[in-house]
Amino acid sequence: QVQLQESGPGLVKPSETLSLTCTVSGGSISSYYWTWIRQPPGKGLEWIGHIYYTGSTKYNPSLKSRLSISVDTSKNQLSLNLTSVTAADTAVYYCARVGQLWSMDFYHVMDVWGQGTTVTVSS
Amino acid sequence: DIQMTQSPSSLSASVGDRVTITCRASQSIRFSLNWYQQKPGKAPKLLIYAASSLESGVPSRFSGTGSGTDFTLTISSLQPEDFATYYCQQSYSPPPVGTFGQGTKVEIK
Repeated sequence: QVQLQESGPGLVKPSETLSLTCTVSGGSISSYYWTWIRQPPGKGLEWIGHIYYTGSTKYNPSLKSRLSISVDTSKNQLSLNLTSVTAADTAVYYCARVGQLWSMDFYHVMDVWGQGTTVTVSS
Repeated sequence: DIQMTQSPSSLSASVGDRVTITCRASQSIRFSLNWYQQKPGKAPKLLIYAASSLESGVPSRFSGTGSGTDFTLTISSLQPEDFATYYCQQSYSPPPVGTFGQGTKVEIK
């Protein structure tokens, strides 16, 4: 079955760049959308952005100026880069697959999730 | 941007209770509404998609209704393993991943 694993530094200094990788195993990255979601401590879920396996992206407007999401189909990985981080970027970061389910039409759902990786922004 | 508003933000209930959580979209999202359950330290899990369709393997005590702007998640008889936080999420705009509601924490009374 498809599994996702996020990886990256757990601690990032303010003003630096947060870089995370999500490795997809047990299936192909092709033919799907993939998304990054984050959750600040004690708070709700926030959509960061998503990418199609072809490389087409859509970003949360609140993060767009600092955000880059990319995909490497040869490595079955997607990546996130968030520049100029502050304490407000401290969160658990999840990658997830966007699948489609049928109910009189196709509907998009986040059907496979990574376990999440905690990133703390602090000097 | 489409805003999703859940209510209540938290509730206390007992095992066996019927629980209803509501989610309202700031504009019509037709049937593009999903519900997720999240337990502490875990990733969210899909419960309901397309407003009312039960994800495979999810107990039938969970159900969803609604269309347009107003949606509900109902747990017909709360079980100990259902104490968690529930999120609605619209997949209408921007497709295929949109915004989440702020969550509803279901706690033990």
